[in-house]
This record gives sequence, C-alpha cells and structure tokens, in this order.
Amino acid sequence: GAVVSQHPSRVICKSGTSVKIECRSLDFQATTMFWYRQFPKKSLMLMATSNEGSKATYEQGVEKDKFLINHASLTLSTLTVTSAHPEDSSFYICSASPHGGGTGHNEQFFGPGTRLTVL
Amino acid sequence: GDSVTQMEGPVTLSEEACLTINCTYTATGYPSLFWYVQYPGEGLQLLLKATKADDKGSNKGFEATYRKETTSFHLEKGSVQVSDSAVYFCALSNQGGKLIFGQGTELSVKP
Repeated sequence: GAVVSQHPSRVICKSGTSVKIECRSLDFQATTMFWYRQFPKKSLMLMATSNEGSKATYEQGVEKDKFLINHASLTLSTLTVTSAHPEDSSFYICSASPHGGGTGHNEQFFGPGTRLTVL
Repeated sequence: GDSVTQMEGPVTLSEEACLTINCTYTATGYPSLFWYVQYPGEGLQLLLKATKADDKGSNKGFEATYRKETTSFHLEKGSVQVSDSAVYFCALSNQGGKLIFGQGTELSVKP
C-alpha cells in the first residue's frame, strides 16, 4: 500500500515552454503533498508544501510564480514549471502524507521522481 | 535552523563487511529521525525511523539509535549485501511534517 506515482518520469522541453508534472497517491488520500528538487549528488530540497484545497506554502527562495502548484483533490497535486530555462533542469520528487502536519511525525510516501531537461 | 549532516560518500565495501554511515542533526525541540534509501532508478523509501530519544529503529538488518546526548542517528548493518547498494539519506521531521534531509551517502557493495 501507500503508492505514489509521478507522470511523466522524464521530460525534455525547449527553453521558454511550460511543463506540468503530476503526482498521484494511488491507494490513499493525501491531505498534504510535498514537492522536492534533487540536484546531482545533492540532497533533496523542499520546494513547497501543498494542502488539498488551499494555496501551497513555498520555501524561502522558491519562486511561486515560476513553480505553480495545484492540489485540487486528495489524490492529485501538480507542479507546473513555467517558462522553463536550462537552470530548471533537475530531478523533481513529490511525496504524499496521509495526514496533516500536526505532530511532525507523519510518514511521507515518495514518488519515483521526474527528470526534467530543458534545452 | 534545523539541519542534518551525514558522512560524505561514496562508500565502497565488500560483501559481508560492516557498515556505519554517520548522521548528526541540529534541531529545536524533539524531532523524529529517519533513514531513507534510494535504489537506482527508484524513489525514496523509508528504511527505518525513531521518534524519541533512545529509540532504536531497525529494518532489513539495518539499525539506528536516536542519541539525544550526541544528536546522532548513525546507520549500521553488520553484513552488507550487493543488493544494499543505494543512496542513503538521513532526515529529521520537526514541526509541520516537513522533512529535512542530509546530503545523502552513496553506498556501493562489491561481490
């Protein structure tokens, strides 16, 4: 149980275009979803936290107008990279938590990631 | 702010060797501590966790003990296998359910 999928797994796009990445919780309802960015040989950096039906909370330094996050249902969150540029090339990973924030001990289930390459 | 520091890799071991990956943390309050594993081409999977001081998390032969006095959560395994080759991430969760990750340690186990 607790499977999270991401689509697409890989995407290559031209500079200036927008790319949408989907994150789905397949067998549970996710009150909260998280989006991370992972650079080669580096750790995961939390970009934003999204709660179903409300606006995402972005981490410091993350441009909310560039990385649009929508969490329209309890099983789907999307990340849209707008006007992508080569420096946006990275590995984007989502996770989903079956519970809200609260105690901070709630487990997150991770998707397999999406490799974005901007030419 | 809260942070996690883990030993740099890559770590290369022979099969059946002992493994220790060091992890230390800085946090306010009483965080939960986690080890995640990322196998090649796959997403992160929770390996083990500990939610309070002196708790020991264990799974698949791996262990880690929450040491509040040394702010550490070192990952250990007595005998590694080739299938353990992966990247290991130490992480903490404090308030709001956010995870803060260490930089990851790549483990390569040779037959």
